[in-house]
Amino acid sequence: DTGVSQDPRHKITKRGQNVTFRCDPISEHNRLYWYRQTLGQGPEFLTYFQNEAQLEKSRLLSDRFSAERPKGSFSTLEIQRTEQGDSAMYLCASSLADREANEQFFGPGTRLTVL
Amino acid sequence: AQKITQTQPGMFVQEKEAVTLDCTYDTSDPSYGLFWYKQPSSGEMIFLIYQGSYDQQNATEGRYSLNFQKARKSANLVISASQLGDSAMYFCAMREGWNRDDKIIFGKGTRLHILP
Repeated sequence: DTGVSQDPRHKITKRGQNVTFRCDPISEHNRLYWYRQTLGQGPEFLTYFQNEAQLEKSRLLSDRFSAERPKGSFSTLEIQRTEQGDSAMYLCASSLADREANEQFFGPGTRLTVL
Repeated sequence: AQKITQTQPGMFVQEKEAVTLDCTYDTSDPSYGLFWYKQPSSGEMIFLIYQGSYDQQNATEGRYSLNFQKARKSANLVISASQLGDSAMYFCAMREGWNRDDKIIFGKGTRLHILP
């Protein structure tokens, strides 16, 4: 399977703990996006990378959140001192910008539950 | 103000009938792109169809077509001959501006139920 993969698929943690999620994009895609989706809502943009450079961050991304893409391939999203409000589905997407549509292809997501 | 509005929280449609899912958008930028994504219960977002703001013709992809009415800022998704596997959440989304890197803004979605 050469689609976007995310790990883990599910994470349950206690409030105050740190969590880290991983995203592996489609191999030739140079752009990688992180979104957050809460129940009954559409995905909300968090941040995106072009190769290893983080080019945009949403104001939703508080200082407890950090994302990296060190070699321009996989990316990690870390949440420090988790809060119950962080419970959501975290979606990763990748794209290849040489297409006019530049459609983003999404992974299966990581569902985070903060107790 | 909402950038993407989907007014139908849920819809029930008989199998084999055509379905129209409504979407209106709000932007002052002359250059933008419109997308529809499907999200089954498994959670993965599946890209369905794209319409560029300067495209003269409505986009079509198999059973999916996008009814693009630019003056009304409307981008409805039409699914012909619906199937049970079409039951899912459907999200309309928009990317504003010339920069194709820009983030996509999603609506709240419409849950479609196909009845046997």
